[in-house]
Amino acid sequence: AQSVAQPEDQVNVAEGNPLTVKCTYSVSGNPYLFWYVQYPNRGLQFLLKYITGDNLVKGSYGFEAEFNKSQTSFHLKKPSALVSDSALYFCAVRAYSGSARQLTFGSGTQLTVLP
Amino acid sequence: NAGVTQTPKFRVLKTGQSMTLLCAQDMNHEYMYWYRQDPGMGLRLIHYSVGEGTTAKGEVPDGYNVSRLKKQNFLLGLESAAPSQTSVYFCASSYSGNNYEQYFGPGTRLTVT
Repeated sequence: AQSVAQPEDQVNVAEGNPLTVKCTYSVSGNPYLFWYVQYPNRGLQFLLKYITGDNLVKGSYGFEAEFNKSQTSFHLKKPSALVSDSALYFCAVRAYSGSARQLTFGSGTQLTVLP
Repeated sequence: NAGVTQTPKFRVLKTGQSMTLLCAQDMNHEYMYWYRQDPGMGLRLIHYSVGEGTTAKGEVPDGYNVSRLKKQNFLLGLESAAPSQTSVYFCASSYSGNNYEQYFGPGTRLTVT
């Protein structure tokens, strides 16, 4: 079975400071990893994904994520946070191969960027 | 392109009533999904479809049925609503293949009293 853990329910950071939202995963074989963002009363929006290749993935709105196979982690990062980055962030994993088409989501991390 | 749309946006049901949620996508995606979102639990997959005329159970399928008669539409039915089905329901779609991201609709907020 595949699973995702987001160990922090809430992350607070000051505007202009770097931010990190943590994610660890468990899956059989190689993973596909995704980050999504959800603004209040909206659906999820895709931010970035890791498929293969370079461990540092760049995505929308200046976000990036680093894939670490040995630590089974895929932390979301941004060098300088904006107040508008405040939202709910979800990490998700899917198996690379096999019949598992299901995308498993973490429980979400609420990011608040303080002005 | 409208992307993924959901109808209705809000609904209040009494216990035992039935309803159907409609999802439509205009991106010619093969795969479609229904999720429910509950506080502190992330998104949980209810049912999904890998093509027109096919459906499969997800993580929490009990109490729901689905149909995919047309490629662009995916319907979620509640035959006899229960208070435990109070949730926000999201539809999503994607190209076929495990490496493609999913595109989400705006959600339907359902309350069962």
